[in-house]
Amino acid sequence: EDQVTQSPEALRLQEGESSSLNCSYTVSGLRGLFWYRQDPGKGPEFLFTLYSAGEEKEKERLKATLTKKESFLHITAPKPEDSATYLCAVPPGGGSYIPTFGRGTSLIVHP
Amino acid sequence: KAGVTQTPRYLIKTRGQQVTLSCSPISGHRSVSWYQQTPGQGLQFLFEYFSETQRNKGNFPGRFSGRQFSNSRSEMNVSTLELGDSALYLCASSLGLGEDTQYFGPGTRLTVL
Repeated sequence: EDQVTQSPEALRLQEGESSSLNCSYTVSGLRGLFWYRQDPGKGPEFLFTLYSAGEEKEKERLKATLTKKESFLHITAPKPEDSATYLCAVPPGGGSYIPTFGRGTSLIVHP
Repeated sequence: KAGVTQTPRYLIKTRGQQVTLSCSPISGHRSVSWYQQTPGQGLQFLFEYFSETQRNKGNFPGRFSGRQFSNSRSEMNVSTLELGDSALYLCASSLGLGEDTQYFGPGTRLTVL
């Protein structure tokens, strides 16, 4: 059974204070990993898909990286508008037919 | 290209009633998945439809059902509502099954009184 664990559950940063969110997973064969951003009361917004270990993708102040066991979402010089819950997920496969989502990291960036 | 749309955005029902939620996927996407999201349980997979057929189903009771039409639009129905069904119901569409990236709609907030 696929498992996805995100840490920390909650993170408070000051504006400009860079940090990283972690997504560790246990899957039977890496099939890729997705990152989403979710604002309160709204649907998750797609950020990145990473397919293989060593892959990196960037979007504005966000950079996602992937290893064989975990993924990191690095936030550089965050702004208050980066405040949201960040979710990671692995696609179905290896006997599982449904995607597996982590519980998310709630990020608050104070001005 | 228009994103995933869901209607209605908000619903208030009472216990025992039934409800139908609608989802229109991104044009060209043939797979539609439904999720329930609550603060306590996070994002829980309900079911996935592809080419008008239910392909996968999560661990939810039979009160939760769905269907997909020939234009890929999908509906989900919850009968005999319970207080615990209060949640944000999310629809996600993707090009196909499996490893494709899923794009989510804004959700329907269901409150059961």
